[in-house]
Amino acid sequence: QQQVKQSPQSLIVQKGGISIINCAYENTAFDYFPWYQQFPGKGPALLIAIRPDVSEKKEGRFTISFNKSAKQFSLHIMDSQPGDSATYFCAASKGGYQKVTFGTGTKLQVIP
Amino acid sequence: EAGVAQSPRYKIIEKRQSVAFWCNPISGHATLYWYQQILGQGPKLLIQFQNNGVVDDSQLPKDRFSAERLKGVDSTLKIQPAKLEDSAVYLCASSSTGLGAGETQYFGPGTRLLVL
Repeated sequence: QQQVKQSPQSLIVQKGGISIINCAYENTAFDYFPWYQQFPGKGPALLIAIRPDVSEKKEGRFTISFNKSAKQFSLHIMDSQPGDSATYFCAASKGGYQKVTFGTGTKLQVIP
Repeated sequence: EAGVAQSPRYKIIEKRQSVAFWCNPISGHATLYWYQQILGQGPKLLIQFQNNGVVDDSQLPKDRFSAERLKGVDSTLKIQPAKLEDSAVYLCASSSTGLGAGETQYFGPGTRLLVL
């Protein structure tokens, strides 16, 4: 019940296009859903996050869409740029002593 | 503000040898995490400290892995003896309180371990 499933495993998008990464979870106790961005040789860094009481959160070119009934959430990167090329991880956690469960990651490549 | 520091950045050892990793969290952060990230996978929590006490070590292979956080600041993670399947990046992260959802975890650059 602690799993977070992520797809696709890899994604190639043209510069200026929209990148979409999807995640699904099982544990309805999760109450926080962050997305992390990881560049080669670096640790993951928080990109954007959402709580289940809202259906969408937007920060610049990055948007999280959240469907509580389907237990799914997704990351949309608008106007994708080569600098967005990285691995993206969805994650989920619940309150108390926060334990974060990560998805398996999506390697995004944005080509000029 | 200085980030999470880890050393060494890379380590190559032979199986059955021992190895230790060091982490210095962001100053003032009460919670420290060690994650294992196998190539192509997401980080998996090994152990979580709240100050110098262990909150969660349910996924730590205790027959070979050990960790400590003396004085509630720096932490070391040790593997003894190492196995081939321990080859991974070991990430350290810290957060301010570790309590409640929504608190940001800050990750260090990781230590890449290769076991031959």
